Amino acid sequence: QQPVQSPQAVILREGEDAVINCSSSKALYSVHWYRQKHGEAPVFLMILLKGGEQKGHEKISASFNEKKQQSSLYLTASQLSYSGTYFCGTGPYSGTYKYIFGTGTRLKVLA
Amino acid sequence: KAGVTQTPRYLIKTRGQQVTLSCSPISGHRSVSWYQQTPGQGLQFLFEYFSETQRNKGNFPGRFSGRQFSNSRSEMNVSTLELGDSALYLCASSLLGRDRVNTGELFFGEGSRLTVL
Repeated sequence: QQPVQSPQAVILREGEDAVINCSSSKALYSVHWYRQKHGEAPVFLMILLKGGEQKGHEKISASFNEKKQQSSLYLTASQLSYSGTYFCGTGPYSGTYKYIFGTGTRLKVLA
Repeated sequence: KAGVTQTPRYLIKTRGQQVTLSCSPISGHRSVSWYQQTPGQGLQFLFEYFSETQRNKGNFPGRFSGRQFSNSRSEMNVSTLELGDSALYLCASSLLGRDRVNTGELFFGEGSRLTVL
């Protein structure tokens, strides 16, 4: 079952903040966040591991609530380069080697 | 360090034909996974390979198959193409090892865009 992301789309002005949420119906062991610009490959932003460890981007932060099976990506002081579609990815689940990606959030930053 | 390379980048096929897509992972990455991306369904997991073994498969019909070679390069094949198979097929490599420990991110190739007429 695909994690559900919210909002589906958001438009910001440069300098504004945004939060993208990712909610799973299954237990999460790790959460990845990726950004995909139009016509390009998804690019890794952040990984959050069970237990609180985070690795990733300097200017983007994220949280991981294991009990609620949710993760949120925080984009502060948005720049034009932040535009794209953001995906959360969960996995690999225990016993599998699957990565399941969320429904995606389209973000557009305007000058 | 060279990234993930996918070939061909674009291809057009007709219904009923078959297609083979190729993926060369980053050197040292032994895990290769494949995804189908469509506007309506987002990124859907197809399968994952490690050391020439398929370790998991997504919910796709048997027309979708893959393999991995000893040098970690991977191919996926779609037989008896249908219009609904039109999509961007992405390959990703990672350092995901034998023990399922998530050792890092997925590195994606630019994809192979398949159009079925």
